Amino acid sequence: GAGVSQSPSNKVTEKGKDVELRCDPISGHTALYWYRQSLGQGLEFLIYFQGNSAPDKSGLPSDRFSAERTGGSVSTLTIQRTQQEDSAVYLCASSPDGGGSYEQYFGPGTRLTVT
Amino acid sequence: TQLLEQSPQFLSIQEGENLTVYCNSSSVFSSLQWYRQEPGEGPVLLVTVVTGGEVKKLKRLTFQFGDARKDSSLHITAAQPGDTGLYLCAGARGYGNKLVFGAGTILRVKS
Repeated sequence: GAGVSQSPSNKVTEKGKDVELRCDPISGHTALYWYRQSLGQGLEFLIYFQGNSAPDKSGLPSDRFSAERTGGSVSTLTIQRTQQEDSAVYLCASSPDGGGSYEQYFGPGTRLTVT
Repeated sequence: TQLLEQSPQFLSIQEGENLTVYCNSSSVFSSLQWYRQEPGEGPVLLVTVVTGGEVKKLKRLTFQFGDARKDSSLHITAAQPGDTGLYLCAGARGYGNKLVFGAGTILRVKS
């Protein structure tokens, strides 16, 4: 079946602009995660959605970052007023459920470059 | 300071050699996962270990979870050029089993 898909694959934006990154999880997976991968920080957790529960936003680096998940499926990560330090690969992962199932399956990522 | 210390950071070996990658922490994890990542792609799950002392084998790859569930190792026997890539360990903890990643090991296998 289809894996996790993300769009766009690459995004170049000017400092100060807003960007939206999209994630389509594996069908039927109730848990969805966003991570960020950068040279200096490695892979770090950003936000977690589980079903209709309130998201765990504990990894978001600033209030310029937000995410939503509509209908328990597609998720959008929004970065407002982008800064150069936001340049990274943003990865989305989904899991059959966040509690009992440990396996997380990753999408190909969106490479964000802020100029 | 990394919550999960992964070593070595870089490994360049000849085809046919054996190698071990280590992942250590002072924290306990509910599970530990190993991923392999190719340039321009997302991490691909290799294995999940859940029980302390657990050993899993995947062809030439052997994964072990420490008895205390704080550390893990990945051993590759007779490495092949196709094994080249970035190997990441990740520990699951807390609500939702969020993953904490090690810094990764870049493996290069020369033919």
